[in-house]
Amino acid sequence: GENVEQHPSTLSVQEGDSAVIKCTYSDSASNYFPWYKQELGKRPQLIIDIRSNVGEKKDQRIAVTLNKTAKHFSLHITETQPEDSAVYFCAAYSGGGADGLTFGKGTHLIIQP
Amino acid sequence: ETGVTQTPRHLVMGMTNKKSLKCEQHLGHNAMYWYKQSAKKPLELMFVYSLEERVENNSVPSRFSPECPNSSHLFLHLHTLQPEDSALYLCASSQDEGSYEQYFGPGTRLTVT
Repeated sequence: GENVEQHPSTLSVQEGDSAVIKCTYSDSASNYFPWYKQELGKRPQLIIDIRSNVGEKKDQRIAVTLNKTAKHFSLHITETQPEDSAVYFCAAYSGGGADGLTFGKGTHLIIQP
Repeated sequence: ETGVTQTPRHLVMGMTNKKSLKCEQHLGHNAMYWYKQSAKKPLELMFVYSLEERVENNSVPSRFSPECPNSSHLFLHLHTLQPEDSALYLCASSQDEGSYEQYFGPGTRLTVT
């Protein structure tokens, strides 16, 4: 089955700086890579996703890049703000019926004022 | 947000009890999921239902029993749980199984005593 590794587990950045979270996956058949944001005590919510036929996608201050050859994808947040503080999960979908989405362990992003 | 609802939000049960978690989605989706989220592990997929048919997941102990009577409702029946089963149980739904955005419910915080 798919295996997703996510780094770092905790990331602290100054407000206004950029943050980068990286994930690797093992199944070359994976074709869908969503990123979820989970604020304290709340449900995970999709913030951006990318499919295997695209190398980069951007939505305002967030962007995701995908390198299929190296089997890794990254989340980039620019001009970070206090409300960006949360746990971020990457995930990969390989198309297997019982596998569904495989999530990384999450990154706790802390924005320092 | 009321797209995916879960009840109860909090549950405390003894190891000999039998209880059920309920999930309801109002989005017209065809796929529903149960995830377990604990402090030590990432979001773990437990069960997938697609068009009310269960996709087998042999790694989940039999003390967890899912039920999907229709495409809008999903249950997780619990019996003879262990303290290590204490976690946040999240329900999610998506348009179809696969590379579609999953919408999460608020979760049920389960404590097994």
